[in-house]
Amino acid sequence: GQNIDQPTEMTATEGAIVQINCTYQTSGFNGLFWYQQHAGEAPTFLSYNVLDGLEEKGRFSSFLSRSKGYSYLLLKELQMKDSASYLCAVRAFGGNTPLVFGKGTRLSVIA
Amino acid sequence: DVKVTQSSRYLVKRTGEKVFLECVQDMDHENMFWYRQDPGLGLRLIYFSYDVKMKEKGDIPEGYSVSREKKERFSLILESASTNQTSMYLCASSPQVGTEAFFGQGTRLTVV
Repeated sequence: GQNIDQPTEMTATEGAIVQINCTYQTSGFNGLFWYQQHAGEAPTFLSYNVLDGLEEKGRFSSFLSRSKGYSYLLLKELQMKDSASYLCAVRAFGGNTPLVFGKGTRLSVIA
Repeated sequence: DVKVTQSSRYLVKRTGEKVFLECVQDMDHENMFWYRQDPGLGLRLIYFSYDVKMKEKGDIPEGYSVSREKKERFSLILESASTNQTSMYLCASSPQVGTEAFFGQGTRLTVV
Protein backbone atom coordinates (compact mmCIF):
# COMPACT_ATOMS: atom_id res chain seq x y z
CA GLY A 1 0.00 0.00 0.00
CA GLN A 2 0.89 3.64 -0.20
CA ASN A 3 0.48 6.36 2.38
CA ILE A 4 1.52 9.98 2.06
CA ASP A 5 1.13 12.47 4.88
CA GLN A 6 1.29 16.25 4.80
CA PRO A 7 -0.01 18.87 7.23
CA THR A 8 -3.45 20.08 6.22
CA GLU A 9 -2.87 23.79 6.67
CA MET A 10 -0.06 26.21 7.45
CA THR A 11 0.13 29.96 7.88
CA ALA A 12 3.25 32.08 7.42
CA THR A 13 4.16 35.74 7.19
CA GLU A 14 5.15 37.59 4.05
CA GLY A 15 8.94 37.67 3.71
CA ALA A 16 9.45 34.69 6.01
CA ILE A 17 10.59 31.11 5.31
CA VAL A 18 8.23 28.14 5.53
CA GLN A 19 8.91 24.41 5.40
CA ILE A 20 6.19 22.00 4.27
CA ASN A 21 6.85 18.40 5.23
CA CYS A 22 5.82 15.21 3.49
CA THR A 23 6.30 11.68 4.80
CA TYR A 24 5.57 8.62 2.74
CA GLN A 25 5.33 4.87 3.01
CA THR A 26 5.20 3.20 -0.37
CA SER A 27 5.89 -0.23 -1.80
CA GLY A 28 8.92 0.86 -3.75
CA PHE A 29 10.12 4.38 -4.39
CA ASN A 30 11.35 6.00 -7.55
CA GLY A 31 11.02 9.73 -6.99
CA LEU A 32 9.00 12.46 -5.33
CA PHE A 33 7.29 15.45 -6.90
CA TRP A 34 6.01 18.71 -5.48
CA TYR A 35 3.17 20.59 -7.16
CA GLN A 36 1.63 23.98 -6.47
CA GLN A 37 -2.09 24.52 -6.89
CA HIS A 38 -3.78 27.89 -6.59
CA ALA A 39 -7.45 27.88 -5.67
CA GLY A 40 -9.62 26.88 -8.62
CA GLU A 41 -6.65 26.16 -10.85
CA ALA A 42 -4.71 23.12 -12.04
CA PRO A 43 -1.67 21.80 -10.16
CA THR A 44 1.62 22.92 -11.67
CA PHE A 45 4.97 21.16 -11.31
CA LEU A 46 7.50 22.63 -8.88
CA SER A 47 10.22 20.07 -8.28
CA TYR A 48 11.35 16.47 -8.54
CA ASN A 49 13.74 14.57 -6.24
CA VAL A 50 14.95 11.05 -6.81
CA LEU A 51 18.27 11.16 -4.92
CA ASP A 52 18.86 12.24 -1.33
CA GLY A 53 19.65 15.86 -0.75
CA LEU A 54 18.50 19.35 -1.55
CA GLU A 55 17.41 20.65 -4.94
CA GLU A 56 17.27 24.43 -5.17
CA LYS A 57 15.26 26.39 -7.69
CA GLY A 58 15.11 30.09 -6.96
CA ARG A 59 13.03 30.78 -3.84
CA PHE A 60 11.91 27.15 -3.70
CA SER A 61 13.98 24.18 -2.56
CA SER A 62 13.03 20.55 -2.06
CA PHE A 63 14.78 18.00 0.11
CA LEU A 64 14.59 14.22 0.12
CA SER A 65 15.71 11.52 2.55
CA ARG A 66 14.88 8.12 1.14
CA SER A 67 15.96 6.23 4.27
CA LYS A 68 13.52 8.27 6.36
CA GLY A 69 10.72 8.38 3.82
CA TYR A 70 10.71 12.14 4.16
CA SER A 71 10.72 15.22 2.00
CA TYR A 72 10.18 18.89 2.54
CA LEU A 73 9.50 21.90 0.37
CA LEU A 74 11.18 25.10 1.54
CA LEU A 75 9.80 28.44 0.41
CA LYS A 76 11.93 31.52 1.09
CA GLU A 77 11.06 35.23 0.98
CA LEU A 78 7.40 34.40 1.02
CA GLN A 79 5.09 36.45 -1.15
CA MET A 80 1.32 36.77 -1.02
CA LYS A 81 1.09 34.95 -4.34
CA ASP A 82 2.60 31.86 -2.67
CA SER A 83 -0.73 31.31 -0.93
CA ALA A 84 -1.78 28.01 -2.49
CA SER A 85 -1.99 24.30 -1.84
CA TYR A 86 1.21 22.29 -2.13
CA LEU A 87 0.90 18.66 -3.16
CA CYS A 88 3.47 15.96 -2.56
CA ALA A 89 3.36 13.02 -4.99
CA VAL A 90 5.36 9.81 -5.01
CA ARG A 91 6.43 7.66 -7.92
CA ALA A 92 6.60 3.97 -7.05
CA PHE A 93 8.76 1.44 -8.81
CA GLY A 94 8.22 -0.18 -12.06
CA GLY A 95 5.61 -0.79 -14.66
CA ASN A 96 2.70 1.52 -15.26
CA THR A 97 2.31 2.94 -11.78
CA PRO A 98 0.82 6.42 -11.66
CA LEU A 99 1.89 9.06 -9.19
CA VAL A 100 0.25 8.84 -5.78
CA PHE A 101 -0.65 12.23 -4.34
CA GLY A 102 -0.87 13.38 -0.76
CA LYS A 103 -3.90 15.41 0.28
CA GLY A 104 -2.02 18.66 0.02
CA THR A 105 -1.05 21.44 2.41
CA ARG A 106 -2.93 24.71 2.15
CA LEU A 107 -0.51 27.57 2.81
CA SER A 108 -1.80 31.01 3.70
CA VAL A 109 0.66 33.89 3.52
CA ILE A 110 -0.35 36.85 5.66
CA ALA A 111 0.97 40.39 5.77
CA ASP B 1 4.59 24.12 -23.56
CA VAL B 2 2.39 21.13 -22.92
CA LYS B 3 -1.24 21.94 -23.15
CA VAL B 4 -3.96 19.83 -21.63
CA THR B 5 -7.42 21.15 -22.37
CA GLN B 6 -10.64 20.09 -20.73
CA SER B 7 -13.82 20.78 -22.65
CA SER B 8 -15.71 22.58 -19.89
CA ARG B 9 -14.73 24.62 -16.86
CA TYR B 10 -18.11 24.30 -15.17
CA LEU B 11 -20.95 21.82 -15.69
CA VAL B 12 -24.29 21.32 -14.01
CA LYS B 13 -26.08 18.04 -14.68
CA ARG B 14 -29.13 16.29 -13.32
CA THR B 15 -29.09 13.03 -11.39
CA GLY B 16 -29.30 10.08 -13.77
CA GLU B 17 -27.89 11.92 -16.77
CA LYS B 18 -25.04 10.48 -18.79
CA VAL B 19 -22.12 12.90 -18.60
CA PHE B 20 -19.08 13.14 -20.85
CA LEU B 21 -15.94 14.98 -19.76
CA GLU B 22 -13.45 15.47 -22.56
CA CYS B 23 -9.72 16.02 -22.36
CA VAL B 24 -7.24 16.72 -25.15
CA GLN B 25 -3.45 17.00 -24.95
CA ASP B 26 -1.17 18.32 -27.66
CA MET B 27 2.20 16.85 -26.72
CA ASP B 28 1.87 13.33 -28.05
CA HIS B 29 1.99 11.88 -24.54
CA GLU B 30 1.40 8.17 -24.18
CA ASN B 31 -0.31 8.41 -20.81
CA MET B 32 -3.44 10.17 -19.70
CA PHE B 33 -5.22 10.26 -16.35
CA TRP B 34 -8.48 11.28 -14.77
CA TYR B 35 -8.55 12.42 -11.14
CA ARG B 36 -11.19 13.86 -8.93
CA GLN B 37 -10.34 16.32 -6.20
CA ASP B 38 -12.45 16.83 -3.11
CA PRO B 39 -11.78 18.90 0.03
CA GLY B 40 -9.98 16.84 2.64
CA LEU B 41 -9.51 13.91 0.27
CA GLY B 42 -6.97 15.30 -2.15
CA LEU B 43 -6.45 13.99 -5.66
CA ARG B 44 -7.81 10.50 -6.26
CA LEU B 45 -7.14 8.55 -9.43
CA ILE B 46 -10.23 7.32 -11.28
CA TYR B 47 -8.78 5.77 -14.44
CA PHE B 48 -5.68 6.05 -16.53
CA SER B 49 -4.59 4.99 -19.98
CA TYR B 50 -1.09 4.23 -21.21
CA ASP B 51 -1.99 3.69 -24.85
CA VAL B 52 -4.81 4.08 -27.30
CA LYS B 53 -7.72 1.78 -26.42
CA MET B 54 -5.97 0.75 -23.21
CA LYS B 55 -7.33 1.61 -19.79
CA GLU B 56 -6.55 0.78 -16.20
CA LYS B 57 -8.66 1.31 -13.11
CA GLY B 58 -7.38 3.70 -10.52
CA ASP B 59 -8.40 3.90 -6.89
CA ILE B 60 -12.05 4.92 -7.36
CA PRO B 61 -13.38 3.66 -10.72
CA GLU B 62 -16.89 2.81 -9.56
CA GLY B 63 -19.56 4.77 -11.40
CA TYR B 64 -17.15 5.86 -14.13
CA SER B 65 -15.88 4.59 -17.45
CA VAL B 66 -13.36 5.97 -19.92
CA SER B 67 -12.64 5.96 -23.61
CA ARG B 68 -9.40 6.51 -25.48
CA GLU B 69 -9.94 6.11 -29.20
CA LYS B 70 -7.19 8.55 -30.19
CA LYS B 71 -3.87 9.23 -28.54
CA GLU B 72 -4.60 12.87 -27.82
CA ARG B 73 -8.08 12.44 -26.35
CA PHE B 74 -9.24 10.79 -23.14
CA SER B 75 -12.89 10.90 -22.15
CA LEU B 76 -14.42 10.29 -18.75
CA ILE B 77 -18.00 9.04 -18.73
CA LEU B 78 -20.43 9.09 -15.87
CA GLU B 79 -23.02 6.53 -16.96
CA SER B 80 -25.70 7.77 -14.57
CA ALA B 81 -24.62 10.83 -12.65
CA SER B 82 -25.26 10.92 -8.92
CA THR B 83 -24.94 13.74 -6.40
CA ASN B 84 -21.89 12.12 -4.81
CA GLN B 85 -20.07 12.64 -8.09
CA THR B 86 -20.19 16.40 -7.60
CA SER B 87 -16.51 17.27 -7.62
CA MET B 88 -13.59 18.91 -9.40
CA TYR B 89 -12.35 16.64 -12.18
CA LEU B 90 -8.77 16.98 -13.38
CA CYS B 91 -7.27 15.44 -16.47
CA ALA B 92 -3.51 14.99 -16.80
CA SER B 93 -1.02 13.61 -19.27
CA SER B 94 2.59 12.48 -19.04
CA PRO B 95 5.19 11.08 -21.42
CA GLN B 96 5.63 8.02 -19.20
CA VAL B 97 3.54 6.75 -16.32
CA GLY B 98 5.09 7.99 -13.08
CA THR B 99 6.84 10.96 -14.62
CA GLU B 100 5.83 14.59 -14.36
CA ALA B 101 2.13 14.97 -15.00
CA PHE B 102 0.71 18.01 -16.78
CA PHE B 103 -2.78 18.96 -15.72
CA GLY B 104 -5.75 20.53 -17.45
CA GLN B 105 -7.57 23.44 -15.86
CA GLY B 106 -10.22 21.22 -14.29
CA THR B 107 -13.97 20.78 -14.69
CA ARG B 108 -16.14 21.60 -11.73
CA LEU B 109 -19.12 19.28 -12.05
CA THR B 110 -22.25 19.77 -9.99
CA VAL B 111 -24.90 17.05 -10.05
CA VAL B 112 -28.31 18.21 -8.83
